[in-house]
Amino acid sequence: GQNIDQPTEMTATEGAIVQINCTYQTSGFNGLFWYQQHAGEAPTFLSYNVLDGLEEKGRFSSFLSRSKGYSYLLLKELQMKDSASYLCAVRGPFSGGYNKLIFGAGTRLAVHP
Amino acid sequence: DAMVIQNPRYQVTQFGKPVTLSCSQTLNHNVMYWYQQKSSQAPKLLFHYYDKDFNNEADTPDNFQSRRPNTSFCFLDIRSPGLGDAAMYLCATSREGGTDGYTFGSGTRLTVV
Repeated sequence: GQNIDQPTEMTATEGAIVQINCTYQTSGFNGLFWYQQHAGEAPTFLSYNVLDGLEEKGRFSSFLSRSKGYSYLLLKELQMKDSASYLCAVRGPFSGGYNKLIFGAGTRLAVHP
Repeated sequence: DAMVIQNPRYQVTQFGKPVTLSCSQTLNHNVMYWYQQKSSQAPKLLFHYYDKDFNNEADTPDNFQSRRPNTSFCFLDIRSPGLGDAAMYLCATSREGGTDGYTFGSGTRLTVV
């Protein structure tokens, strides 16, 4: 089966930096995505990595190591509005067929003043 | 604006009464997906269409069916909803091989009474 692990919850202080880790064990790999999801809303795309290394996008950066099955999302200069769930997702094909995206359970981040 | 639209936003149905959720897109993406997301859990892929090619996940219950009459529309039919089917249902689209992830609709929250 496919396995994607993230911490369940994290807390951080406004203005600080937080790193959310994701490890995966999947039978295929064609990219890793990070999504942000506010309570009761749909996920919104944050970042995409398919090659090893760091991708930076404003206050958000994402890192990938394919050999280690590991990624992290780095959030800088945290704001209260960053309180949300952060979903790590891996794109396959996993058993032949077309590409599809499978998600981790998400990390609920609470930002405090 | 190009987008993915799900109707209705909230749906209440009776136990055992068939219900249909709808999704439309103006992005002209060739792939459409239905996910089920229960509280604090990962979105779980139910089916996806690659153009008209239907792909069912092995663990999707027979109670769930889908139709895609054309590129723009996709429907999720739940033949006999049970209490365990109460969840957020997310429709998403993508271009095969695209690097910008999936575009999600706002979701339909289904309540079964």
